[in-house]
Amino acid sequence: TQLLEQSPQFLSIQEGENLTVYCNSSSVFSSLQWYRQEPGEGPVLLVTVVTGGEVKKLKRLTFQFGDARKDSSLHITAAQPGDTGLYLCAGARAAGNKLTFGGGTRVLVKP
Amino acid sequence: EAQVTQNPRYLITVTGKKLTVTCSQNMNHEYMSWYRQDPGLGLRQIYYSMNVEVTDKGDVPEGYKVSRKEKRNFPLILESPSPNQTSLYFCASSFRVRGLNTGELFFGEGSRLTVL
Repeated sequence: TQLLEQSPQFLSIQEGENLTVYCNSSSVFSSLQWYRQEPGEGPVLLVTVVTGGEVKKLKRLTFQFGDARKDSSLHITAAQPGDTGLYLCAGARAAGNKLTFGGGTRVLVKP
Repeated sequence: EAQVTQNPRYLITVTGKKLTVTCSQNMNHEYMSWYRQDPGLGLRQIYYSMNVEVTDKGDVPEGYKVSRKEKRNFPLILESPSPNQTSLYFCASSFRVRGLNTGELFFGEGSRLTVL
């Protein structure tokens, strides 16, 4: 059982549709990051959220950190083929310099 | 260009033959880490280093060794590789961030290792 559970594991949608990816845990995190990974490359940071209830927007991507800092979501509006990739959430515990990653959600946006 | 460089990118080896995957970063980061990525399991941390000569075990350290003799380099050593170490390996680095936050991790492009 992973500390951070992501759902769904795989998501296939048509261009223009919306999608939401979830990252859940029974543990509290001091901060949570979202990364996107494309084939043949390493993950690249999209956002870091640190405050319970925080919402951050990055163009068509909206990230939310749960009030209790145990969960997070990533919502993509009007998805485009360029949004295709593996989305990973990663949580940091208080006083830790270690990130724990979720299992990832593979998103495929078809034109 | 700021980057994390891993070598080799691809390697096929046989059980028991020692190998080293090198990692170098040019961003003067204190923190470096190794991860392995397996389908459905995300990234699992093998070892990490807070600074030169300071290393610590991650979640899956068995069968691996690391060293941090210089700030820029953090090699991953497999003394006697086994088939269950077949995986995609990533090296990452970041600035140390005091307090509750963890700095952005910069990843290398990955090293795909197959142990026969």
